Amino acid sequence: AQSVTQLGSHVSVSEGALVLLRCNYSSSVPPYLFWYVQYPNQGLQLLLKYTSAATLVKGINGFEAEFKKSETSFHLTKPSAHMSDAAEYFCAVSPYNTDKLIFGTGTRLQVFP
Amino acid sequence: NAGVTQTPKFQVLKTGQSMTLQCAQDMNHEYMSWYRQDPGMGLRLIHYSVGAGITDQGEVPNGYNVSRSTTEDFPLRLLSAAPSQTSVYFCASSTGQGSWKLFFGSGTQLSVL
Repeated sequence: AQSVTQLGSHVSVSEGALVLLRCNYSSSVPPYLFWYVQYPNQGLQLLLKYTSAATLVKGINGFEAEFKKSETSFHLTKPSAHMSDAAEYFCAVSPYNTDKLIFGTGTRLQVFP
Repeated sequence: NAGVTQTPKFQVLKTGQSMTLQCAQDMNHEYMSWYRQDPGMGLRLIHYSVGAGITDQGEVPNGYNVSRSTTEDFPLRLLSAAPSQTSVYFCASSTGQGSWKLFFGSGTQLSVL
């Protein structure tokens, strides 16, 4: 079965610092991987997706993620954190050609001034 | 632009009561799904549907029923509420067929006493 593991339930950074949120996947077939963001009291929104094209994927709000097969990782990064980035971030995996997403446990990002 | 509409936003039940969480989308999406979100556990898939008349179980289906009589509506029924079903419930929809971009409702916060 496919799954994702998010390392670190909470990450704190200063405004302007690098953001790195970690996600490792487990899959017996090439996975489709996603990052979603949840702002307080809202549903989730798609940040970016990897579907076996380019390994470096750019998303909204300056975020990007790199698919590394050798490390079974799909970490999310942003060069410079902004206060508005404070939210909970979820990594997800999907079986081939379905919209059935399996989510990780989430990482809450805090940004300090 | 209604998108995905969930009702009610808040609900308190007593153990053993039944109720239906409503979900409607106006985007003509084929795929709809229900997730529950619990602290430290991320989002877990309860049931999903790939089109009217077709439903299937997700990761945690026990205690819940669904039906999909129309493309627009996907209600979630709690047959006999239990305290373990206290959670935030999200409905999501997408065009299906591997689009992977889920549109989420704003959630229903359910407490079972």
